[in-house]
Amino acid sequence: DAKTTQPNSMESNEEEPVHLPCNHSTISGTDYIHWYRQLPSQGPEYVIHGLTSNVNNRMASLAIAEDRKSSTLILHRATLRDAAVYYCILRDGSGGSNYKLTFGKGTLLTVNP
Amino acid sequence: KAGVTQTPRYLIKTRGQQVTLSCSPISGHRSVSWYQQTPGQGLQFLFEYFSETQRNKGNFPGRFSGRQFSNSRSEMNVSTLELGDSALYLCASSLQGREPNYGYTFGSGTRLTVV
Repeated sequence: DAKTTQPNSMESNEEEPVHLPCNHSTISGTDYIHWYRQLPSQGPEYVIHGLTSNVNNRMASLAIAEDRKSSTLILHRATLRDAAVYYCILRDGSGGSNYKLTFGKGTLLTVNP
Repeated sequence: KAGVTQTPRYLIKTRGQQVTLSCSPISGHRSVSWYQQTPGQGLQFLFEYFSETQRNKGNFPGRFSGRQFSNSRSEMNVSTLELGDSALYLCASSLQGREPNYGYTFGSGTRLTVV
């Protein structure tokens, strides 16, 4: 599986935007970029995914670099409820090993009131 | 719609015993995956079922097994429990399980403590 690299932790203030980076320099042309987050005492929650173009949904935005070797998850206005571990995951779109999610250590986001 | 339901939420077992955990996926989802989460190893894939068949298995010993029923509900079983099996066990459901442009829905997990 292609590898992703994320900072161990980040801090933000409430109601400010948060940019969570992810590097995936060995990404293949068929890999989709997925983001999940895990709130305390809960299972992971799907946030957003993309292939080449930037994506927006009600939870967040995903900005993908032109060379696709990095991406950024953007929370437009952080709330205390956004405090979680955020995982950046690549999913094989070629039909190979995309039956599972390979989690790294993720980024622990702390949101200060 | 109802989410992924895992039962029980908490479980305490003794070394050497066996345990069965249950997962009810979202209605219409036919793929069910299981993950183990520990502080040391993080989230690791156990196995995945689709239409009552195990399609894929992670790198876990044979003491870990599972099955899926015709209504897509799944159970996982751990026999001869060891202290190291203490973990949060998570179930995830998906329509078909292999769609790269579709997200998984996870349950809240079963917290297993082996004493």
